[in-house]
Amino acid sequence: DIVMTQTPLSSPVTLGQPASISCRSSQSLVHSDGNTHLSWLQQRPGQPPRLLIYRVSNRFSGVPDRFSGSGAGTDFTLKISRVEAEDVGVYYCMQATHPMYTFGQGTRLEIK
Amino acid sequence: EVQLVESGGGLVQPGGSLRLSCVAYGFSVSSHWMSWVRQAPGKGLEWVANMKEDGIEKYYVDSVKGRFTISRDNAKNSLFLQMDSLRAEDTAVYYCVRAIQGMDVWGQGTTVTVSS
Repeated sequence: DIVMTQTPLSSPVTLGQPASISCRSSQSLVHSDGNTHLSWLQQRPGQPPRLLIYRVSNRFSGVPDRFSGSGAGTDFTLKISRVEAEDVGVYYCMQATHPMYTFGQGTRLEIK
Repeated sequence: EVQLVESGGGLVQPGGSLRLSCVAYGFSVSSHWMSWVRQAPGKGLEWVANMKEDGIEKYYVDSVKGRFTISRDNAKNSLFLQMDSLRAEDTAVYYCVRAIQGMDVWGQGTTVTVSS
């Protein structure tokens, strides 16, 4: 099974400052179709998760452009250019390259 | 509007069974990979099961293999999760998810509690 490892697990950030979360997979996430099926999801308190980024760097519909994704192979990053209060929650990376999907442990973003 | 609505959760004793249902609105479950994802109280997300568009390929996390079965009814545009031999560690909120371009549509979840 693919193991997804996120760092840090907790990230206190000042409003208006940037934030960055890393995700590493135990195997390459390049699919036989040539795509890399690495996504980022946000879960606000008391809500279901929602998709932010798919295929490494594509923002999902309605996601603010302060969110961006990058990476390749086994190393990926989610960046928030300027953190806003509504960004508080837990962020997960997820791989769908291999049909037994796996999530990272989650990174809790909080405001200092 | 594209939407998923789960039902069927509840309190069940260890060793018991439950069948979760998920009705899709605005799209066909037979046209996409569909998944079940769960979240134990205070914990992270755990993928549980997948079904490919063909309805034939199915995958399960090791901890539920042989106990859970994912299925669908195209006529009812619904996805199901049959859960047998339930254990305390299966206690969680279960989400039905459309798995296209990542997991782009999530239901609100249904809560399963396994306890005596």
